[in-house]
Amino acid sequence: NAGVTQTPKFQVLKTGQSMTLQCAQDMNHNSMYWYRQDPGMGLRLIYYSASEGTTDKGEVPNGYNVSRLNKREFSLRLESAAPSQTSVYFCASSNRQLILYQPQHFGDGTRLSIL
Amino acid sequence: GESVGLHLPTLSVQEGDNSIINCAYSNSASDYFIWYKQESGKGPQFIIDIRSNMDKRQGQRVTVLLNKTVKHLSLQIAATQPGDSAVYFCAENIAGFQKLVFGTGTRLLVSP
Repeated sequence: NAGVTQTPKFQVLKTGQSMTLQCAQDMNHNSMYWYRQDPGMGLRLIYYSASEGTTDKGEVPNGYNVSRLNKREFSLRLESAAPSQTSVYFCASSNRQLILYQPQHFGDGTRLSIL
Repeated sequence: GESVGLHLPTLSVQEGDNSIINCAYSNSASDYFIWYKQESGKGPQFIIDIRSNMDKRQGQRVTVLLNKTVKHLSLQIAATQPGDSAVYFCAENIAGFQKLVFGTGTRLLVSP
């Protein structure tokens, strides 16, 4: 049981380049989330998708876009990468839409450096 | 490994001791709380959760205590092992919202 799978695990970009971070879950969860984690700060929500076909902004959405491709997959796109977007990105999923008090389950992250 | 938190509070214990990790939460409307463990280079791993209508919940070697009066949450780990070394953080769900709010974490170091 893989859980939440993120690709790639590591990436180095130049300022202005674009890329898409991929996330897939095999737990049949309805809700999916993208977070960034920076030193000294808690996880911050970028975007989330409460259910297939819906997406909403989180705490720090600027500079990012998302696509909920289907129930399993939720991608995060950086259109024009900036050094401030250097971070570790985590995808998570949960069954919150069906059962209110459900924890989120996380992938192992994408370590992104922007030069 | 990466630096999840450069200046995290650190708790150092000996193997076999009991560990207590604390978390102060911010919102009196929070109705659900989760503890996560994060090892270096890994994603957060769910440990245990508790709803606000409970004061205590036990798992395998772990206990979570909730004090709503002072908005305080604690994680107790019994017979701490070197494999418990990680960063631990709490998350709160504010009633009516779809989102969790995460703390910055405490680093637990277990020496043999």
